[in-house]
Amino acid sequence: DIQMTQSPSSLSASVGDRVTITCRASQSIASYLNWYQQKPGKAPRFLIYAASSLQSGVPSKFSGGGFGTDFTLIINDVQPEDFATYYCQQSYSPPYSFGQGTKLEMK
Amino acid sequence: QVQLQESGPGLVKPSETLSVTCTVSGASMSHNYWSWIRQAPGGGLEWIGHIHNSGTTTYSPSLKSRVTISLETWRNQFSLRLSSVTAADTAVYFCARTVLSTGPLLDHWGQGTVVTVSS
Repeated sequence: DIQMTQSPSSLSASVGDRVTITCRASQSIASYLNWYQQKPGKAPRFLIYAASSLQSGVPSKFSGGGFGTDFTLIINDVQPEDFATYYCQQSYSPPYSFGQGTKLEMK
Repeated sequence: QVQLQESGPGLVKPSETLSVTCTVSGASMSHNYWSWIRQAPGGGLEWIGHIHNSGTTTYSPSLKSRVTISLETWRNQFSLRLSSVTAADTAVYFCARTVLSTGPLLDHWGQGTVVTVSS
């Protein structure tokens, strides 16, 4: 099974900040990497697929990058609605595992 | 628009079988995969498995011996059965539409249904 590891586990930021979340796969997954946003008590929201492609309707303040084993999610100009938990997920081979999540909190 | 809605028993006794159903609206069930994911209290997301409209299933190896996912396209529904449950199966169970692109992508999710395993 492919293990996904995110860092940091939690992150404090102020409104207007730029934040970076990292995701590492235990083996190469090419660009088969997706990102989700989850707010408390809600279902995850699909943000990015293929490491860097924005899902329809997702604002361009979100961007992703990486290939192989190392990936990043960048959020520019963080706003109050962006404070949430972010998960990466590999869609390379089953079981399609998720990272443990990164909680973005307001400083 | 695409909407998914889970329904489940809320409470299941240990050793019994958990059954959850997902009702789909706004999307054809004929051209996609359909997935189940769960989230333990305070925990992360765990992929359970998916089913293709052809009936082909793929399950997580850690749950494979206890999981069955089935499709009832005529009802616009798909279902999850998990047998021999224990307290470790207590979680929010989500269903999701899954499109195949760079692998299966979970593009629309239901709101989730809480299932507690307790006597």
